[in-house]
Amino acid sequence: NAGVTQTPKFRVLKTGQSMTLLCAQDMNHEYMYWYRQDPGMGLRLIHYSVGEGTTAKGEVPDGYNVSRLKKQNFLLGLESAAPSQTSVYFCASSTPRTGTKEQYFGPGTRLTVT
Amino acid sequence: AQSVSQHNHHVILSEAASLELGCNYSYGGTVNLFWYVQYPGQHLQLLLKYFSGDPLVKGIKGFEAEFIKSKFSFNLRKPSVQWSDTAEYFCAVIATGTASKLTFGTGTRLQVTL
Repeated sequence: NAGVTQTPKFRVLKTGQSMTLLCAQDMNHEYMYWYRQDPGMGLRLIHYSVGEGTTAKGEVPDGYNVSRLKKQNFLLGLESAAPSQTSVYFCASSTPRTGTKEQYFGPGTRLTVT
Repeated sequence: AQSVSQHNHHVILSEAASLELGCNYSYGGTVNLFWYVQYPGQHLQLLLKYFSGDPLVKGIKGFEAEFIKSKFSFNLRKPSVQWSDTAEYFCAVIATGTASKLTFGTGTRLQVTL
């Protein structure tokens, strides 16, 4: 199993450009999450999904949109990138079936907005 | 909403020294507690977790943590650190009924010197 994968690994955008980050998991997990990591601030939840076709806002959702059209994929979109969105983005997944609630993280995407 | 505080932002220790990293959370209900580690350039990995039962939990690589409910604390300990423990450590909490959403502390950067 590959676990949780993210593409791309690195990206540089100009202000105002758009892009989509892809997260894929092969563990048949119901729950998926997008976080951003900034120095001194830990990880903050952007959006999450508890199942195919459902999404919900997290702590810092402004400027981002998400979609969960397939159970194994969770897309994070930036419609008009801003320098404040320069960050490392992590995707994670988990399942309520086992009761452990452990989240499995992807390798991250480093995004720079100039 | 729950929150997590990690009071040590940067800790420098010599090899073989003992480690204790503080973590306090604020939430009145039932919680699940986690410590994650992020080695330089890598994604987050689970060190240990507490769900119920024995408040002293043991994780990988010789780490342990003690849940003290009366103090809302979940401190991480290791009797003797190694250079390879140099990493960033994150405490996190899941409040029950929140779709397993993790709330992270801001992290503690541990630097172990030879």
